[in-house]
Amino acid sequence: KQEVTQIPAALSVPEGENLVLNCSFTDSAIYNLQWFRQDPGKGLTSLLLIQSSQREQTSGRLNASLDKSSGRSTLYIAASQPGDSATYLCAIPSSYKLIFGSGTRLLVRP
Amino acid sequence: DTAVSQTPKYLVTQMGNDKSIKCEQNLGHDTMYWYKQDSKKFLKIMFSYNNKELIINETVPNRFSPKSPDKAHLNLHINSLELGDSAVYFCASSPESRLAGRRFEQYFGPGTRLTVT
Repeated sequence: KQEVTQIPAALSVPEGENLVLNCSFTDSAIYNLQWFRQDPGKGLTSLLLIQSSQREQTSGRLNASLDKSSGRSTLYIAASQPGDSATYLCAIPSSYKLIFGSGTRLLVRP
Repeated sequence: DTAVSQTPKYLVTQMGNDKSIKCEQNLGHDTMYWYKQDSKKFLKIMFSYNNKELIINETVPNRFSPKSPDKAHLNLHINSLELGDSAVYFCASSPESRLAGRRFEQYFGPGTRLTVT
């Protein structure tokens, strides 16, 4: 049974810092991994989807990496801004549904 | 031109009432989902429909009944609401339900915050 874990649960950094969010999964036979952003009281916005055949996927200041053998994905945010403050969720498809991690709540201080 | 929309956005109701949440997607997707996000922000699948057929029912109480009148709509009806049903309910859709050879990317609606008093 696939389990998805995100560490840390919360992170507070000063503006401008580069940071890494971690996502671990127990079953390495994944099809892809999706990173989402959720703002308080809002829905989920898809940030990046990285296929199992890929090792990296980039969008602007975001870079997601995937290492299936170690069961890990990281989301790298460069030059963080206060507008990046949100909860970041990773999710893996399994049996026609997404299995979500519990999220990392990020606060970027001005 | 919202991709996945839900109504209402907020719903406050008393215990024992029956309520419905509606979801529509204009992406032409085959598969739609309902997820529940609890007070600890943990998101978990409830139901999945592919071309109006139920394909996932994740041990949800039978007070919850999804209905898909067509491929673009998936509604959630809840009978005899309980305090524990208070949560945010998200609708989502994806172009394919099968994983092999497909992108399987899900698109989420804005959520419906249900409060049962």
